[in-house]
Amino acid sequence: DIQLTQSPSFLSASIGDKVTITCRASQGISSYLAWYQQKPGKAPNLLIYTASTLQSGVPSRFSGSGSGTEFTLTISSLQPEDFATYYCQQLDSYPFTFGPGTKVDMK
Amino acid sequence: QVQLVQSGAEVRKPGASVKVSCKTSGYTFTSYYMHWVRQAPGQGIEWMGIINPNGGSTTYTQKFQGRVTMTSDTSTSTVYMELSSLRSEDTAVFYCARSCCRYDSSGSYDYWGQGTLVTVSS
Repeated sequence: DIQLTQSPSFLSASIGDKVTITCRASQGISSYLAWYQQKPGKAPNLLIYTASTLQSGVPSRFSGSGSGTEFTLTISSLQPEDFATYYCQQLDSYPFTFGPGTKVDMK
Repeated sequence: QVQLVQSGAEVRKPGASVKVSCKTSGYTFTSYYMHWVRQAPGQGIEWMGIINPNGGSTTYTQKFQGRVTMTSDTSTSTVYMELSSLRSEDTAVFYCARSCCRYDSSGSYDYWGQGTLVTVSS
């Protein structure tokens, strides 16, 4: 199975900060990576697919990059509604594993 | 508009089974793969498997092989996930999630059900 690691696990930030989250895969997954945002008690919400494509309706302050084994999710200017947990997921091969998550909270 | 509406919360005793439904609307049911994932309280997300509603073929993660069954009913545009031999560690919120892209099993999940809490307790 492909393992995903995320760093950091927790991140404290302020409104307006630039935030970067890294996701690393245990083997190459080309660009078969998605990013999701999850708020407490809610289903995850798709932000980025195929590593760098912004999902329709998602604010442009979110961006994704990377390929192979290393990927990043960047929030260019953190907004109040962005405090949440972020997960990466690989869709290269079964099982479609998720990373352990990065919780972004207010400094 | 696309909607995935799941059945309500369930409580089961250890050793029992549970069947969660995910009723879909707003799109061509047989054109999009459906995935099931689960999330234990305070934990991350775990992929369980995938079903092709067009024909019913499935792939399950090895961890759940022999305990999980995913099925689809084209007459009601509903997918089901049944988990048997429940144990306390199975207490979780279960989600159905649609692959984004027509006929693509590797598409990311653009629509999700609201989640179904299954509690396993004696």
